Amino acid sequence: KAGVTQTPRYLIKTRGQQVTLSCSPISGHRSVSWYQQTPGQGLQFLFEYFSETQRNKGNFPGRFSGRQFSNSRSEMNVSTLELGDSALYLCASSFWQGAAYEQYFGPGTRLTVT
Amino acid sequence: KQEVTQIPAALSVPEGENLVLNCSFTDSAIYNLQWFRQDPGKGLTSLLLIQSSQREQTSGRLNASLDKSSGRSTLYIAASQPGDSATYLCAVKENSGYSTLTFGKGTMLLVSP
Repeated sequence: KAGVTQTPRYLIKTRGQQVTLSCSPISGHRSVSWYQQTPGQGLQFLFEYFSETQRNKGNFPGRFSGRQFSNSRSEMNVSTLELGDSALYLCASSFWQGAAYEQYFGPGTRLTVT
Repeated sequence: KQEVTQIPAALSVPEGENLVLNCSFTDSAIYNLQWFRQDPGKGLTSLLLIQSSQREQTSGRLNASLDKSSGRSTLYIAASQPGDSATYLCAVKENSGYSTLTFGKGTMLLVSP
């Protein structure tokens, strides 16, 4: 089974621009979560999508948004980029079957804002 | 609000040593706890997942234990090797339908030859 894929792997943007990151979950996984990782704050939860609906959201400003498509692929968008948005953005897909639960992470997208 | 703490923040040991990484969490109402490994600039690799009803899980040289009532987990690495050098992250999933994980800030491990 192919793993979670994220594109692009690296991005350099200028302050004030916007950016879109993409995540393709493992086949059959309907839940996609996004996390931001920075040296100072560690890994912080951004939001989770399930069946095209956002069902949980972390404590981030409205500049951070996302969506999920009918094939479970997800995108996150950051508008009006700030220097502090420089981070590794990780996507995870998860699957429930009865009480069993699996979650897998992609390789991440490294965003640098200059 | 769930908080996860990992001690120590960094650890340097010679090859061959056995070591223990610690993780504590404030809310014991968890569904499971996972230990991940992260190499510099890379994504997360799941090492061990312990369900809330379990006490420990083992995989090769790794053993993770869970004491839910005291809010603690340990990751034991036997006979450490230079290839074990990485950051180790502990994460808990709470008792909800959500997939959200709350992470500790990790322990950066360096194993010297």
